[in-house]
Amino acid sequence: LAKTTQPISMDSYEGQEVNITCSHNNIATNDYITWYQQFPSQGPRFIIQGYKTKVTNEVASLFIPADRKSSTLSLPRVSLSDTAVYYCLGGINRLAFGKGNQVVVIP
Amino acid sequence: SAVISQKPSRDICQRGTSLTIQCQVDSQVTMMFWYRQQPGQSLTLIATANQGSEATYESGFVIDKFPISRPNLTFSTLTVSNMSPEDSSIYLCSVLLLAETYEQYFGPGTRLTVT
Repeated sequence: LAKTTQPISMDSYEGQEVNITCSHNNIATNDYITWYQQFPSQGPRFIIQGYKTKVTNEVASLFIPADRKSSTLSLPRVSLSDTAVYYCLGGINRLAFGKGNQVVVIP
Repeated sequence: SAVISQKPSRDICQRGTSLTIQCQVDSQVTMMFWYRQQPGQSLTLIATANQGSEATYESGFVIDKFPISRPNLTFSTLTVSNMSPEDSSIYLCSVLLLAETYEQYFGPGTRLTVT
């Protein structure tokens, strides 16, 4: 089964750019890569999705290289409210969440 | 997007009892799912709730323990049966709006504590 792997935790200061990279082993040709954000006591929230190259919306940017074996979520100028766990999904098991990445934004 | 509500939002139950969690969506959706999130952990898929047929369970989850109903395209229930403290978790339902991209939308979750 395709699996995603992410680093576990990272701290960042307010106003910095935060980049989180995810590995997508054995991602299928027609699979999209999707990122979610989860705050404490809430369900995950869809942030961004892409298939290849770069996607940008009002929240984040997503960079996917040509081989699609990884993806990088970029959060520009983070604020305290961006403190959350971030999950990447993309692979044969499209519904499987990995361990996620805890981002803590420090004042 | 979709607006998803769950009832109850939280509950404290005694071991050996059962709890039914409801999930309501504001639009018709083809695919609905139930996840479990144990304290400090990631989400684990329990099952796919199929409209008009039996749910499809993931490895490690069985119908006798987690019966699921899906009477129509906007509603589903998950029952946690014969509960034990190990069932203390957050239970979340989710839906797919676009099957091609697997973009999911989640309910707020039901926090269950079993004593």
